[in-house]
Amino acid sequence: GAGVSQSPSNKVTEKGKDVELRCDPISGHTALYWYRQSLGQGLEFLIYFQGNSAPDKSGLPSDRFSAERTGGSVSTLTIQRTQQEDSAVYLCASSPRRGIEAFFGQGTRLTVV
Amino acid sequence: AQTVTQSQPEMSVQEAETVTLSCTYDTSENNYYLFWYKQPPSRQMILVIRQEAYKQQNATENRFSVNFQKAAKSFSLKISDSQLGDTAMYFCAFMLDSGAGSYQLTFGKGTKLSVIP
Repeated sequence: GAGVSQSPSNKVTEKGKDVELRCDPISGHTALYWYRQSLGQGLEFLIYFQGNSAPDKSGLPSDRFSAERTGGSVSTLTIQRTQQEDSAVYLCASSPRRGIEAFFGQGTRLTVV
Repeated sequence: AQTVTQSQPEMSVQEAETVTLSCTYDTSENNYYLFWYKQPPSRQMILVIRQEAYKQQNATENRFSVNFQKAAKSFSLKISDSQLGDTAMYFCAFMLDSGAGSYQLTFGKGTKLSVIP
């Protein structure tokens, strides 16, 4: 079966532009996570969706960041007015239920120039 | 808020030897899960091993085992018979089982492990 799919794999954008990053989780997984990983660093939590519950947005670094999950499946992370410090790898993960490990996609490498 | 600390930014080990990666965490909760993930240069995060906090027995997966000390809030990973393919970043992660709501997965900053031929 297919794993977590993220697109695009790489994205170069100009400072000030908006970008959208897509995540297709594993079918049937109710939990979906977004993380940001700067070069050589750990994973910074951004947002978490669980079923129909309100998302946990506590990790979003500013109001330029937003995410939605449509129909409990595909998720889109949007970054408005991108800044150079937004350059990082954005990782998406999904999980079938609590306590079970999260399965990760290969990430989107975002470069803001 | 939960925190995860990995105090060894980089480590190296000779092929076929054993290495232990450290991880400590801070929580006031009693029910949670702990994980070790591996991230090779390909960037793909791969689960190595998981541990339920309510289980006293240490988890083992082939050459990988953990030393889970709940009272000390310590969760170290031991890799036996190290192989070149074990070269990667290793992340320790904590997931709170709150019973409802968010199951946020919190990661440490990682340990870069190099296996030397």
